[in-house]
Amino acid sequence: QKEVEQDPGPLSVPEGAIVSLNCTYSNSAFQYFMWYRQYSRKGPELLMYTYSSGNKEDGRFTAQVDKSSKYISLFIRDSQPSDSATYLCAMSGGAGGYNKLIFGAGTRLAVHP
Amino acid sequence: DGGITQSPKYLFRKEGQNVTLSCEQNLNHDAMYWYRQDPGQGLRLIYYSQIVNDFQKGDIAEGYSVSREKKESFPLTVTSAQKNPTAFYLCASTSTGVIAEAFFGQGTRLTVV
Repeated sequence: QKEVEQDPGPLSVPEGAIVSLNCTYSNSAFQYFMWYRQYSRKGPELLMYTYSSGNKEDGRFTAQVDKSSKYISLFIRDSQPSDSATYLCAMSGGAGGYNKLIFGAGTRLAVHP
Repeated sequence: DGGITQSPKYLFRKEGQNVTLSCEQNLNHDAMYWYRQDPGQGLRLIYYSQIVNDFQKGDIAEGYSVSREKKESFPLTVTSAQKNPTAFYLCASTSTGVIAEAFFGQGTRLTVV
């Protein structure tokens, strides 16, 4: 069993839809939860990170962490064609010193006009 | 501007050859990483380094080697022992604080010909 599971998609939605992206994980030591966006043939860029459980909102993006269920989500409101990319969840369990990021497989999202 | 530079963007290798991928950062980060990305498998950690002149194997280190002679540089050599080297290679760096926000380079696509 992988430490982090993420449905690779692809996920295709119309412009303006609400998108829900999810990851599950097995390692209860994870404390930091991140979402990266990766455009084709580019390096990933950090979208959001959350510490422990709870919600975090940034513009059209909302990240949720449910540590009791070992489940994290990223919601995109009013999705735009420019949101079309692969979204990778990542997690780490570090506290001081080295933080090893464990990535999900990535979900490919296509937002069509 | 601060960032991570990977070169070359595209690289072709003949069977039996060693090739070296370059990664340079000017973010003053202590930790650097190499990941391999294959379709549908997310990012897998090859090697990482927390400090100059020290590095550790990641999950898929066989057939790869690295050096960390300078804080800014973390080159990756793909040796002939790596049986399936065709992939997208990503270099990243982080500070060694608690929050592991990783900054990525733009990647090198290696193809065996």
